[in-house]
Amino acid sequence: DAGVTQSPTHLIKTRGQQVTLRCSPKSGHDTVSWYQQALGQGPQFIFQYYEEEERQRGNFPDRFSGHQFPNYSSELNVNALLLGDSALYLCASSFWHRLAHGYTFGSGTRLTVV
Amino acid sequence: EDQVTQSPEALRLQEGESSSLNCSYTVSGLRGLFWYRQDPGKGPEFLFTLYSAGEEKEKERLKATLTKKESFLHITAPKPEDSATYLCAVQFNQAGTALIFGKGTTLSVSS
Repeated sequence: DAGVTQSPTHLIKTRGQQVTLRCSPKSGHDTVSWYQQALGQGPQFIFQYYEEEERQRGNFPDRFSGHQFPNYSSELNVNALLLGDSALYLCASSFWHRLAHGYTFGSGTRLTVV
Repeated sequence: EDQVTQSPEALRLQEGESSSLNCSYTVSGLRGLFWYRQDPGKGPEFLFTLYSAGEEKEKERLKATLTKKESFLHITAPKPEDSATYLCAVQFNQAGTALIFGKGTTLSVSS
């Protein structure tokens, strides 16, 4: 049973560029959340998608946008990259009706902005 | 002010030396408190969810407890493979279904 899969695993981008990260949720899960984890910090919530709609958003600028597809997979897009966007980006999936029971995380995409 | 605070930031133990990690929170309307384990370069791995004060859960050498404003993760007779960063997160009414994480405690167990 595949867990949450994220691609790519590592990425290097230049300041000002745009990036797209991808996530396939655990089999059967219908809700996808994205988190940003800076070095030495806990993950910070970016946004959550269910039924192809953004349901909740954390304190992140509009440069961060997302999408969820009919098969529940998701993309995170970041425009106009800044050096401070360098972090581990984590995707987490769950069932919409069981969000209080926790999330399954992927291994993340390590983004380095130079 | 941080909503979730974990202490200590780092902990070094000898194999077999039991100890506890602390997670305190300031939020009201707690819906759940979560413990995760994270290995370097990996995503968090789910350990426990606690919902109300007095609740306890166990898994192998780990035991999590919850009081009104804090949780403890007790590690009994740890082994080197227990070395990891342990993250605490809360879900509370004002934040919807998002998880609010602490900065974690990095545990090192030497043989």
